[in-house]
Amino acid sequence: DAKTTQPPSMDCAEGRAANLPCNHSTISGNEYVYWYRQIHSQGPQYIIHGLKNNETNEMASLIITEDRKSSTLILPHATLRDTAVYYCIVRVAGAGNNRKLIWGLGTSLAVNP
Amino acid sequence: DTEVTQTPKHLVMGMTNKKSLKCEQHMGHRAMYWYKQKAKKPPELMFVYSYEKLSINESVPSRFSPECPNSSLLNLHLHALQPEDSALYLCASSQPGRGSGYGYTFGSGTRLTVV
Repeated sequence: DAKTTQPPSMDCAEGRAANLPCNHSTISGNEYVYWYRQIHSQGPQYIIHGLKNNETNEMASLIITEDRKSSTLILPHATLRDTAVYYCIVRVAGAGNNRKLIWGLGTSLAVNP
Repeated sequence: DTEVTQTPKHLVMGMTNKKSLKCEQHMGHRAMYWYKQKAKKPPELMFVYSYEKLSINESVPSRFSPECPNSSLLNLHLHALQPEDSALYLCASSQPGRGSGYGYTFGSGTRLTVV
């Protein structure tokens, strides 16, 4: 199964961009990269996902390298409410309609005033 | 409605008790999931239901018994749990299928304490 590696913690100043890296060097060609975040003791919240191309939505941007071995989640203007654990996840292919999420250990992002 | 609702939010149970966790979604998703999350760890998959049929059981002990009565509801029946089963139990749903990626919507979880 694909595996993801993330730094355990990062700091970011409020108002600045937060760039969260993820390594997924064993990813297969049809496996998606997902990012979720989890604010203390709440359920994980979907942020963004992608396959090959860079993606952007109202929350963040996802930059995937051409070889797909790594990606970066960018929060363009971090706020205190973005303080959370950010999970880089690979959705692996499975039999039939089954798709499993392989979770990284997460990066604890602290946004400081 | 774009939510997954889990009840109860908190549950304390003894090792001889029988209790159930409930999960409900009205997004028309046909895949539903149970996850277990220990402190400072990522969620661990327990069960997957696809079109109301159990499709994945991640070797979960039989003291956890899932049930999917219909496409909107998912239950997790608990019996004779151990203190180490104390954790945050998360329910999620998604639209199964091949091809393009589908998002997974998570509930807020049930905080379970076994005493």
